[in-house]
Amino acid sequence: QKEVEQDPGPLSVPEGAIVSLNCTYSNSAFQYFMWYRQYSRKGPELLMYTYSSGNKEDGRFTAQVDKSSKYISLFIRDSQPSDSATYLCAMNAGNNRKLIWGLGTSLAVNP
Amino acid sequence: GAGVSQSPSNKVTEKGKDVELRCDPISGHTALYWYRQSLGQGLEFLIYFQGNSAPDKSGLPSDRFSAERTGGSVSTLTIQRTQQEDSAVYLCASSSRVVGYTFGSGTRLTVV
Repeated sequence: QKEVEQDPGPLSVPEGAIVSLNCTYSNSAFQYFMWYRQYSRKGPELLMYTYSSGNKEDGRFTAQVDKSSKYISLFIRDSQPSDSATYLCAMNAGNNRKLIWGLGTSLAVNP
Repeated sequence: GAGVSQSPSNKVTEKGKDVELRCDPISGHTALYWYRQSLGQGLEFLIYFQGNSAPDKSGLPSDRFSAERTGGSVSTLTIQRTQQEDSAVYLCASSSRVVGYTFGSGTRLTVV
């Protein structure tokens, strides 16, 4: 079993839909949880990060962490075609900087 | 510079040849990482440099792979005697804090 599991999709939604992306993990020591977005032929870019449990909102994006269930989510409201990308979750225990990555979920938002 | 710079952006090489990939991190970032990304395989950690500490080489897939970081800045990833399975996108990232790597656009390596 991988330390971080993420459904690779692909996920296809119509413009304006609410998108839910998820990862599960097995290491209870993880404290920092991140979501990266990767456009085709580009490197991943940090979208949001959350420390420990709880929610964090930034515009149309909301990140949630449920440490009791070892489950993290990224919600995208009013999705746009420009949101079409691969979304990768990543996390670490905070005692070093090496991140453990999910495989990424490919998202297509159709106009 | 403003971001992480990688060169070349694309490299086609013949099987058996050596290649060098370069990464120029953000000035002042003490941590530098190399990853490999293959289709459907996600990000594969290769090596991690942190300041003057000994690098974490635990992700290097074989002794044909090596990396160095000179003067705490520019890093070079070298692959000797390339094989077709080395074909992938090689990504470099740098960081100055616990969260938030900044990635370059990668080098797309094709071994023919």
